[in-house]
Amino acid sequence: QKEVEQNSGPLSVPEGAIASLNCTYSDRVSQSFFWYRQYSGKSPELIMSIYSNGDKEDGRFTAQLNKASQYVSLLIRDSQPSDSATYLCAVRGTGRRALTFGSGTRLQVQP
Amino acid sequence: DTGVSQDPRHKITKRGQNVTFRCDPISEHNRLYWYRQTLGQGPEFLTYFQNEAQLEKSRLLSDRFSAERPKGSFSTLEIQRTEQGDSAMYLCASSLGDPGQGLNQPQHFGDGTRLSIL
Repeated sequence: QKEVEQNSGPLSVPEGAIASLNCTYSDRVSQSFFWYRQYSGKSPELIMSIYSNGDKEDGRFTAQLNKASQYVSLLIRDSQPSDSATYLCAVRGTGRRALTFGSGTRLQVQP
Repeated sequence: DTGVSQDPRHKITKRGQNVTFRCDPISEHNRLYWYRQTLGQGPEFLTYFQNEAQLEKSRLLSDRFSAERPKGSFSTLEIQRTEQGDSAMYLCASSLGDPGQGLNQPQHFGDGTRLSIL
């Protein structure tokens, strides 16, 4: 079992729709969770961080964390073609400084 | 621009040659990380510095790899006797120290160095 799992996609949604990206992790005592966006050929760009159970909203983005289910998700409202990218889920475990990344989910927003 | 800077952006070399990459972190960040990313995968952790001290190394970091951060500012990653399998994007990230209370500072990535081994 991978430490951080994501569906590779592609996830295709029409412009204006809600895109839902999911991630599960295996280390039950993980503390911090991050979503990065990566355009093709570019480096990962941080878009959200979440540390406690529940929802965290930032503009069109909402991160959701459920530590009991070891599940973190990212919702993108009013999806735009410019949101088309690979979304990486990253987890930081207790006592570690490094991030463990999933393989990413490729999102395609259709105009 | 005060982001993480990496040099060079691209490096093409023959198998068996040595290569060195440089990373300049965000100026006030005391933590610096190296990751490697291959096509279709997320970044994989290689090593971590807090100031000039190398505090953590991944099993991925074979003895052909060495990293330094001599003055706690910029860092170099050297790969000796390169192999085909070393072809990847090498990413550097930096962050502030953690403020405690279970919060972790996010890591900010540079644009990476793409290494191609002929």
